[in-house]
Amino acid sequence: GEDVEQSLFLSVREGDSSVINCTYTDSSSTYLYWYKQEPGAGLQLLTYIFSNMDMKQDQRLTVLLNKKDKHLSLRIADTQTGDSAIYFCAESEGSGGGADGLTFGKGTHLIIQP
Amino acid sequence: ETGVTQSPTHLIKTRGQQVTLRCSSQSGHNTVSWYQQALGQGPQFIFQYYREEENGRGNFPPRFSGLQFPNYSSELNVNALELDDSALYLCASRPGQGALEQFFGPGTRLTVL
Repeated sequence: GEDVEQSLFLSVREGDSSVINCTYTDSSSTYLYWYKQEPGAGLQLLTYIFSNMDMKQDQRLTVLLNKKDKHLSLRIADTQTGDSAIYFCAESEGSGGGADGLTFGKGTHLIIQP
Repeated sequence: ETGVTQSPTHLIKTRGQQVTLRCSSQSGHNTVSWYQQALGQGPQFIFQYYREEENGRGNFPPRFSGLQFPNYSSELNVNALELDDSALYLCASRPGQGALEQFFGPGTRLTVL
């Protein structure tokens, strides 16, 4: 079945860049997403990338996709305390998850050191 | 705030009981999905409703069922509760099946004793 893997924790200093990595197994993944979850809140879509793209940049966020290695990364530039959260990588075959839904990783806890 | 609300916020039940969780989707959103997020895990897709019909389902047994109403609000029903059903249940709505962004509610925390 489909699988999405992420490392569980990442600790960075405030002002540095954070790079969160993800690998997935489903070669038919068409859409790949990054979601953010803060305590007591639902999931917030940060960004997404189509599988025919290599890179997408949106303000402080940069997504890199290596389709050959099935590797996705999220870079957050100038990390701030407000970026402290759990970041989930997700994939789907259809847009928005389609009728098969999104497949999520277990999430990476981003810890910001002052 | 995503405009998606869920009730109740917390719930405690005992094994074997039945539970109904509710979701009010963002205005105009006709597609609702439900996810189960166990502690320390990522969300897992339960099912999706589009215009009052279930049109997609993840790997969950039939005791997980749902409804979507004409105003597109939705319910998740779980029968014969098991301890492993303890989790955060998230609903997500979007304006159509082709829409990329899903708007998640804050979730209902269910504890089964």
